Amino acid sequence: EIVMTQSPATLSVSPGERATLSCRASQSVSSNLAWYQQKAGQAPRLLIYGASTRATGIPARFSGSGSGTEFTLTISSLQSEDFAVYYCQQYNDWPYTFGQGTKLEIK
Amino acid sequence: QVHLQESGPGLVKPSETLSLTCTVSGASITSYYWSWIRQPPGKGLESIGYRYHTGTINYNPSLKSRVTISLDTSKNQFSLRLNSVTAADTAVYYCASGYENFDYWGQGTLVTVSS
Repeated sequence: EIVMTQSPATLSVSPGERATLSCRASQSVSSNLAWYQQKAGQAPRLLIYGASTRATGIPARFSGSGSGTEFTLTISSLQSEDFAVYYCQQYNDWPYTFGQGTKLEIK
Repeated sequence: QVHLQESGPGLVKPSETLSLTCTVSGASITSYYWSWIRQPPGKGLESIGYRYHTGTINYNPSLKSRVTISLDTSKNQFSLRLNSVTAADTAVYYCASGYENFDYWGQGTLVTVSS
């Protein structure tokens, strides 16, 4: 199965600043990569699919890039509601697998 | 707006069967693929499997021998059964729409495996 590795495990950023989260796949997943945001006690929310397409209702400050094995989620100007855990997920090969998450915390 | 709601026992004894149901509103069960995903406490997410009403189905190989996902089109529900559970199956279980990426999720239900 494809292993997804996210870095860093925890990222401390001040509100208004840019956050860059990374995700690496153990083998190519083409552009079959999604990003999710999860807040404490809630279900994950789909942010990005196809590596770079924002899901319905997702603000433009969220952007995704990459293909193959290296991917990035960028949040251009952090709002208070963006502090959460972020997961990447590949859906190129079954079983579809998630990264272990990056916790984005307030600096 | 699609809404999903999980239901089922929150406590299951070791070696017994975990059974959960997801009730779908705002969409027909024949319109999407439907998935189950779980998250052990404090850990990441794991795809359990998915099913489509035509019979297309796929289970995570790590669980394949123990898991069944079924659809009830008359009730607009789908279900998860996981046999021979152990403490390692303790998790929040989510139902979700889709099978590649998941745009609608239930709120999740915690299932604890303990005697």
